[in-house]
Amino acid sequence: GIQVEQSPPDLILQEGANSTLRCNFSDSVNNLQWFHQNPWGQLINLFYIPSGTKQNGRLSATTVATERYSLLYISSSQTTDSGVYFCAVEGEGSSNTGKLIFGQGTTLQVKP
Amino acid sequence: DTGVSQNPRHKITKRGQNVTFRCDPISEHNRLYWYRQTLGQGPEFLTYFQNEAQLEKSRLLSDRFSAERPKGSFSTLEIQRTEQGDSAMYLCASSPGWSPPYNEQFFGPGTRLTVL
Repeated sequence: GIQVEQSPPDLILQEGANSTLRCNFSDSVNNLQWFHQNPWGQLINLFYIPSGTKQNGRLSATTVATERYSLLYISSSQTTDSGVYFCAVEGEGSSNTGKLIFGQGTTLQVKP
Repeated sequence: DTGVSQNPRHKITKRGQNVTFRCDPISEHNRLYWYRQTLGQGPEFLTYFQNEAQLEKSRLLSDRFSAERPKGSFSTLEIQRTEQGDSAMYLCASSPGWSPPYNEQFFGPGTRLTVL
């Protein structure tokens, strides 16, 4: 099945810094989503981005489907950005079920 | 439009007991998914419903696990004869399935199961 790798596994930033999180996937995808998991375990939707570039406030994402990677940019980080960021993909071979395969996540800590 | 809801939020049980969790998807979403997340890992797919039909089950879903979506609305996940290895966060998600983006999934807050 499709493999999803996220890097870096851990990231520590000072408030105000910028960061880039990477997601590599091993096969073509129908769907790619980025999530932020808060300390209570809730997965918050950040982007639905199987291809192209999107921006939402201080966050933006780019997926280059032909090269099988996606990037999540966080600018001017705030302490509330802390948590685990997951990339999840639906492989083209999933028979259109929509099931997501998650990476291991990037744990971000933003220090004041 | 309310989000995905799950009940209970926390469940502590003794090994060997049966437990049942409920998921209410976003209204009019016809696709519903169950995932399991253990500490330090990403969520793993368990099963998928389109309306009331269960169309895919992961090999993770042993015969002690059963899921239903009787009227194509809410879903239940039952674990029989719980084992300590079943301790995890159980997440439910739904997606529209009929309007774009068809497969964008929205997650509930999860049910955290602890088996003693």
